[in-house]
Formats: sequence, C-alpha cells, structure tokens
Amino acid sequence: KQEVTQIPAALSVPEGENLVLNCSFTDSAIYNLQWFRQDPGKGLTSLLLIQSSQREQTSGRLNASLDKSSGRSTLYIAASQPGDSATYLCVRAAGNKLTFGGGTRVLVKP
Amino acid sequence: NAGVMQNPRHLVRRRGQEARLRCSPMKGHSHVYWYRQLPEEGLKFMVYLQKENIIDESGMPKERFSAEFPKEGPSILRIQQVVRGDSAAYFCASSKDRNPGEQYFGPGTRLTVT
Repeated sequence: KQEVTQIPAALSVPEGENLVLNCSFTDSAIYNLQWFRQDPGKGLTSLLLIQSSQREQTSGRLNASLDKSSGRSTLYIAASQPGDSATYLCVRAAGNKLTFGGGTRVLVKP
Repeated sequence: NAGVMQNPRHLVRRRGQEARLRCSPMKGHSHVYWYRQLPEEGLKFMVYLQKENIIDESGMPKERFSAEFPKEGPSILRIQQVVRGDSAAYFCASSKDRNPGEQYFGPGTRLTVT
C-alpha cells in the first residue's frame, strides 16, 4: 500500500525563519512528487512539481527536493512570512491517482 | 480562463436526503477527478472520469455514491441517503490530459449532514 507521511503535523515559527517540511513515501517507483498549499475554506494551489527523473525544483523562496532512494521529499521555504501560513500537502502522483499526505499546518507569527 | 468551478460551496443536508455536488472543469479539460477530505484527514481519491466514461472508481464507496460526467454540462457527484459520516469537503480537479501533475483543483464543496 502506497502511503505518504508528513512530519511534523504542525509547525509554528516567527516571521523570517526558514521552514523545513518533510515528506516520506513508501513506494519509490513514483511518477511525480508534488507540493500543494491549502488555505482554510479554499482549494489547493500547486506550488512545485518534481518529475520522477528530477532531484529538485525551485520557485522564488520555495525549493523542493526529491530523494527516491530514501523515499523522501523536503520543502524549504526561505525567510517565512505571515502569508505563508497554510497547510502544505505532499502528493505522490502515479498514473492518474494522487495520494495525499496528511499535511503540515504552518503558522508564521508576525 | 476561469478555473475549476464547484457549486454549491456549502451544502447542508439532513440524514437520508440526497446531495448533488457539481464540478465544471477548466475550459478545454476533459478529465475530472473527485477527492474527499474528511475532518482531520488528508484528501483521498474517489473517482476519475472522462467525458461520458468512468475510468477509475476505486476510491468510491460501494453504496450510495455515484458520479457522472456527461457530454454536456458539469460533472456530478451524487450521494444518496446521506449519513453524518459523509460530512466532508469534496474537491474536484480537472486536467487536459492524463498527466497527474497537471490537475487543477476547485475550491471544494463542504457538505454538512445534520
């Protein structure tokens, strides 16, 4: 059974600190690994998509790495801002199915 | 180009009633996916449809739940005889082709069963 686990479940940091969100998955034969952001009462916003053949992707203050051998992905958010407060979801994509992690709830305090 | 649209955004039903959730995919997208997020749980895949066809319904409960994506009009997720355990957020996503990295999500419908 493919599972996606995210640690920690919740994270609270002061503004300006760097954020490190971890994701692990049991099946290394993944297709893509994707990070989403979910704001309360809203839908999901795709942040970064790492293809199976890639090791990392970067967009602005966000960087996501993928290590298939260890079954891990890490999302880094540099210089966090209060607007980064949200739930971050790690998603394994295989075929047409997305398998979601439980999410990490992030609170960035001003 | 409007994004994925879902309506209603909030739906309240009494136990035993029917719930109909609608999803209009992005323009040009012919693949639709439904996901359910139970309280305090992650999103889980329910069903994948293309126009007029159910491709994968491995995540759908066997009873009371059905989905369709007709040639014209939105995709419909139908829940008959709702129970309290059906209370959840139901998200729809769409994609242009069979690429799992290109699913765009709607804002969700929050179903509350009283």
